Amino acid sequence: AQTVTQSQPEMSVQEAETVTLSCTYDTSESDYYLFWYKQPPSRQMILVIRQEAYKQQNATENRFSVNFQKAAKSFSLKISDSQLGDAAMYFCAYRSTRGNNNDMRFGAGTRLTVKP
Amino acid sequence: NAGVTQTPKFQVLKTGQSMTLQCAQDMNHEYMSWYRQDPGMGLRLIHYSVGAGITDQGEVPNGYNVSRSTTEDFPLRLLSAAPSQTSVYFCASSYSRQGPYEQYFGPGTRLTVT
Repeated sequence: AQTVTQSQPEMSVQEAETVTLSCTYDTSESDYYLFWYKQPPSRQMILVIRQEAYKQQNATENRFSVNFQKAAKSFSLKISDSQLGDAAMYFCAYRSTRGNNNDMRFGAGTRLTVKP
Repeated sequence: NAGVTQTPKFQVLKTGQSMTLQCAQDMNHEYMSWYRQDPGMGLRLIHYSVGAGITDQGEVPNGYNVSRSTTEDFPLRLLSAAPSQTSVYFCASSYSRQGPYEQYFGPGTRLTVT
C-alpha cells in the first residue's frame, strides 16, 4: 500500500517569509494525484493545492506552490509571503488511479506556526 | 449549499455505549467516507461508500458500522464504544472516488470515550 511521509512534525516561519513543508510518498504507480490540505484551529479541512502526476509543471495557487519531483517521489509545499492566517496543520495526501485502491492516504501532518 | 454537515460536534460516551455520528452532503456526491484523526497519525479511513447501497471497509473498520440508504446521508455507528475510539471523526464527500477530485470535509466530531 502507498504510504505518505511528512518528516517535519512542526515548522515555524516569520511573517512575510517563505517556508517549505516536505512530503514524500511511496508508490509503484506512474499515474496518481497529490494534494495538500490545510487544517486551521477550527478543524475544517481545506484543499490548498493539487498536482496530477502526469503533469510535469508544478501547480501554483497564489502564494502556494509545489515542487513535484516524480523520480524522487517528493511533493513539497512552498508558502511565500507567509501570513498569520497560514498557521495550521498541513497534510499531504496521495490518491491512486488504479484498481480499487483509490482512497486518499494522508501523511501525519506538519504543524506550521507563523511568528509576527 | 451547506456542503458536508456532521452532528454532533462533541460527544462523550462511556465504555460500552453505542451511538451514531450523522453525516450529510448536499452536493450530490457519489463518494463518501469516514476518517478518524489521531495525533501523529494523520487521517485514517474507516469506511467508505461509492453510492447508495454500496459500502466497504477502509484501513481501520473494526468497531464501526456504516450504511448508505440515500446519496445524501452516510451515518457512522459505534457499536460498543471503547477508549481506543477516542478521536476526532471526519466525514468527507467527493464527486468520485477516482480522479483529481478533492474531498470536501465536514467540521468534525470530537469523541471522548471514558
